[in-house]
Amino acid sequence: QSALTQPASVSGSPGQSITISCTGTSSDVGGYNSVSWYQQHPGKAPKLMIYDVSNRPSGVSNRFSGSKSGNTASLTISGLQAEDEADYYCSSYTSSITYVFGTGTKVTVL
Amino acid sequence: QLQLQESGPGLVKPSETLSLTCTVSGGSISSSSFHWGWIRQPPGKGLEWIGTIHHSGNTYYNPSLKSQITISVDTSKNQFSLKVTSVTAADTAMYYCARYSPGYLDYWGQGTLATVSS
Repeated sequence: QSALTQPASVSGSPGQSITISCTGTSSDVGGYNSVSWYQQHPGKAPKLMIYDVSNRPSGVSNRFSGSKSGNTASLTISGLQAEDEADYYCSSYTSSITYVFGTGTKVTVL
Repeated sequence: QLQLQESGPGLVKPSETLSLTCTVSGGSISSSSFHWGWIRQPPGKGLEWIGTIHHSGNTYYNPSLKSQITISVDTSKNQFSLKVTSVTAADTAMYYCARYSPGYLDYWGQGTLATVSS
């Protein structure tokens, strides 16, 4: 199975909004609403930020939001803050009864 | 609060078998609502899904790793395990265990680094 495609890097200034895309196929992202997003700071385990395309777990800032259109899911971070600088990964359930991660995106706060 | 903790040898020789265990505390691994999974991350690279297991024993594996991996569960110890056979340098990675609420990973272990080297 092929990894979902994400941009290698995205940057923005504090207070701005950025969007990270996650492109798959109709056999994964496009076929299911089981798309999730994870934040990973250096040396730390990933942390769930969005599940089922657009739901936020308790404790995650409402500055994080998710959406999906066709085979592409997106994570938007509004009001960018220094603490948001991290790697972000999407993940999707697939028609093969497996899961697949995205290639990862490094977010830099300028 | 649910906690997961990986354990296993930090160093494995090429061609040998890597064995890791994930101990779950603060909750039961036998809950029907959840699956339990392994994910790995080579140094400086992205996340790779390895596979999942349900307490019933049903397993689902990454097709590209299927010939090399086995995931098992021991409900009496509230643990699940990963075996990777015939390891090479490409299997050097941080290995994470995690809980799958259907469709997403909500609890993660801190990870354990496994290095393949002679």
